[in-house]
Amino acid sequence: AQKITQTQPGMFVQEKEAVTLDCTYDTSDQSYGLFWYKQPSSGEMIFLIYQGSYDEQNATEGRYSLNFQKARKSANLVISASQLGDSAMYFCAMREGQQASGGSYIPTFGRGTSLIVHP
Amino acid sequence: DVKVTQSSRYLVKRTGEKVFLECVQDMDHENMFWYRQDPGLGLRLIYFSYDVKMKEKGDIPEGYSVSREKKERFSLILESASTNQTSMYLCASSLRGTSLEQFFGPGTRLTVL
Repeated sequence: AQKITQTQPGMFVQEKEAVTLDCTYDTSDQSYGLFWYKQPSSGEMIFLIYQGSYDEQNATEGRYSLNFQKARKSANLVISASQLGDSAMYFCAMREGQQASGGSYIPTFGRGTSLIVHP
Repeated sequence: DVKVTQSSRYLVKRTGEKVFLECVQDMDHENMFWYRQDPGLGLRLIYFSYDVKMKEKGDIPEGYSVSREKKERFSLILESASTNQTSMYLCASSLRGTSLEQFFGPGTRLTVL
């Protein structure tokens, strides 16, 4: 079973509108973290936002916010006031509580959502 | 400005060739990762390293090996390239910690003919 599910292969939004990109996750750990990354056509992945499982408030970073619903195991990314430059692939990722070697945590990525912003 | 660099953006090799993909980070990060990205499959971890000379297999290590002789450099090696290794390869690094994000390089698009 996939640990991170992004059900929307592609999304379209009008410039200046808000858009929500879905992400659901599967873990039995109490301590975990959720990340969102953006990948423009240039290829480089860019970190957007992080939410820890114990964080009481939804994370926000500028126009990005994470709608964290723990009971539903969802961590949707909300982009407000979309811009043309927001057109990109977006990946949700999770690191679970179990440490890998060396005390490191290895995130698992979803398959991504392609967002196109129309003028 | 933090940086992860990869030796090539585009690479074309022939079946059976030995291929080296190099990754360098200048942030003194302990962790370094190699991912493969294919359409519809997202990012899949090939190998990761948490220290010099230390490596761990990821989800798809078959056909690949890695080397980390210096903290800042992590190399991915395809001993005998095959056409099914045609893909985008992404290198990443991170500090050791639970909430710390990964920093990615620009990627290498490898084509094996």
